[in-house]
Amino acid sequence: GAGVSQSPSNKVTEKGKDVELRCDPISGHTALYWYRQSLGQGLEFLIYFQGNSAPDKSGLPSDRFSAERTGGSVSTLTIQRTQQEDSAVYLCASSLDLGGFNEQYFGPGTRLTVT
Amino acid sequence: AQTVTQSQPEMSVQEAETVTLSCTYDTSESNYYLFWYKQPPSRQMILVIRQEAYKQQNATENRFSVNFQKAAKSFSLKISDSQLGDTAMYFCARPGGGGADGLTFGKGTHLIIQP
Repeated sequence: GAGVSQSPSNKVTEKGKDVELRCDPISGHTALYWYRQSLGQGLEFLIYFQGNSAPDKSGLPSDRFSAERTGGSVSTLTIQRTQQEDSAVYLCASSLDLGGFNEQYFGPGTRLTVT
Repeated sequence: AQTVTQSQPEMSVQEAETVTLSCTYDTSESNYYLFWYKQPPSRQMILVIRQEAYKQQNATENRFSVNFQKAAKSFSLKISDSQLGDTAMYFCARPGGGGADGLTFGKGTHLIIQP
């Protein structure tokens, strides 16, 4: 079956613009995760969804970041008023359910470059 | 904060050799899961192997095995008969870094297999 897909693969934007990153999880996976990978910070966990609900948003770097999930499927990560420090690869993962034993399947990521 | 430490930023070995990547972590839990992920240049994170802490037997997956030392909080990855396709970044990870089962990753080890 299809894996996790993310779009766009690459995004270049000007400082101050808003961007939306999309994640299509594996069909039937109820849990979805967003991570950020940057040279300076390594891999950081941002937020998770159980169904359409994101119970804990404390991992988001600032209030310019928001995420939503609709229909228990597609998720979008929105960054408003982008800054250069937002430049990173944004990875999405999904798993069958919550629970540390569940394997997280990752998408190929979106490379965001803020100029 | 729960941390995962990988002390080898880069390693290089000849094809067919055996290589061991180290990882240590902290935790206050008695049962938990540990993971090794591989990230080739394509950016796709792939689960290599998984270990349940309550299982004393070390996990193995073909050429990949772990040396899990629970008391020492050590979780090393051994790759036997290394192949050119093993060249990648390798990340040690455990759930619990934020939110339910958001993974906390080490900084990674860049493994280079030389022909």
